[in-house]
Amino acid sequence: QVQLEESGGGLVKPGGSLRLSCGASGFTFSEYYMTWIRQAPGKGLEWVSYVSTSGTSTNYADSVKGRFTISRDNAKNSLYLEMDSLRAEDTAVYYCVRTMVVLTATLPSYYFDYWGQGTLVTVSS
Amino acid sequence: EIVMTQSPATLSVSPGERATLSCRASQSVSSNLAWYQQKPGQAPRLLIYGASTRATGIPARFRGSGSGTQFTLTISSLQSEDFVVYYCQQYNNWPLSFGGGTKVEIK
Repeated sequence: QVQLEESGGGLVKPGGSLRLSCGASGFTFSEYYMTWIRQAPGKGLEWVSYVSTSGTSTNYADSVKGRFTISRDNAKNSLYLEMDSLRAEDTAVYYCVRTMVVLTATLPSYYFDYWGQGTLVTVSS
Repeated sequence: EIVMTQSPATLSVSPGERATLSCRASQSVSSNLAWYQQKPGQAPRLLIYGASTRATGIPARFRGSGSGTQFTLTISSLQSEDFVVYYCQQYNNWPLSFGGGTKVEIK
């Protein structure tokens, strides 16, 4: 069965950096886009970033653009999120999510069929 | 950016009864709408995509409908495990956006 396991979360000071990892199993990792989605404590869901199957295409929410970098290693069935210049508002549970691509009338778009259990990132002094 | 508005924020329903959850988009998203269920302390789970197609393993009591700007998730005969939070998500336009959620609680 599909399994996604995040790691790397923790407490970091504002302005600090953190690298999240996600290990995937139970499916052909290289055939799927992957996404990071976050959820602040007691709040709703926010799309953060996606990466294409090859890793050559990425996109970011405006709130993290220029500070976060998504990447993947298909040989290791792993997804990563490098987070720099962290702010208090980045505090959230970060989910690694398998992504389904849909061809809409204008652009490819995505919904999310399998989610990891998440890893908590806390940004506080 | 498309704003997704879910109503009500909290829905009180008795076990065995039907729940009707609404999701409204600020502009048309065609049928590019998904619904997710989130239990306390767990990750969201995909219920519905394409506005009305149930995801793998989702019971038939979950039914999605609608298109354009107005969508509905209907849960017939609520079971104990259904009293949790539900989110809608549009994937017709960038940036992708989620609704604020509806919590279904026991009446």
